[in-house]
Amino acid sequence: QKEVEQNSGPLSVPEGAIASLNCTYSDRGSQSFFWYRQYSGKSPELIMFIYSNGDKEDGRFTAQLNKASQYVSLLIRDSQPSDSATYLCAAGGGGSNYKLTFGKGTLLTVNP
Amino acid sequence: GAVVSQHPSWVICKSGTSVKIECRSLDFQATTMFWYRQFPKQSLMLMATSNEGSKATYEQGVEKDKFLINHASLTLSTLTVTSAHPEDSSFYICSARDRVNSNQPQHFGDGTRLSIL
Repeated sequence: QKEVEQNSGPLSVPEGAIASLNCTYSDRGSQSFFWYRQYSGKSPELIMFIYSNGDKEDGRFTAQLNKASQYVSLLIRDSQPSDSATYLCAAGGGGSNYKLTFGKGTLLTVNP
Repeated sequence: GAVVSQHPSWVICKSGTSVKIECRSLDFQATTMFWYRQFPKQSLMLMATSNEGSKATYEQGVEKDKFLINHASLTLSTLTVTSAHPEDSSFYICSARDRVNSNQPQHFGDGTRLSIL
């Protein structure tokens, strides 16, 4: 059974702080990793994806992947109230297996 | 950017009714589409993988006779919830893989909120 685990939170940070979201996955065959943001009642919105070990930065967001530890993280710098949402981590298989396994999500609240 | 249109966005119907949900890729061709279901406070659970021109592949525990999937073209997949009951009330979301840019992440539709009375 492929599993993706996330701290359910809620995680609360003040505006302007760094929010750190963590995720572990059980399937060592996973090749692709995604962070989605989901506002209440809405569909997930892709924030970042990462395929290789190391860091990947895009604006205020940095994704980190450590395949040896089967660990993925998302850092949000200069957090804004509009970042308040549930963040979903997902892992995908390699090759022709494009199915995603999602974690349960971490609820982030950024306080003004 | 790539857009996936899902329709309807919200449906309320009586128990026993069959409901069809459409998922369209508007500006790309999708050989593979995915159907997810999300209950309140839960994560997305993959129901089935829809492949153009062939039968869908269902995840364990998902009844294929209840959740009928048709993927007749490279831009359209449909999910029909047959004889829906209140326990089928959920948020249904589709996603699609670009046939040309297949290494790019899946594109998600806006979801369909289904409420069965």
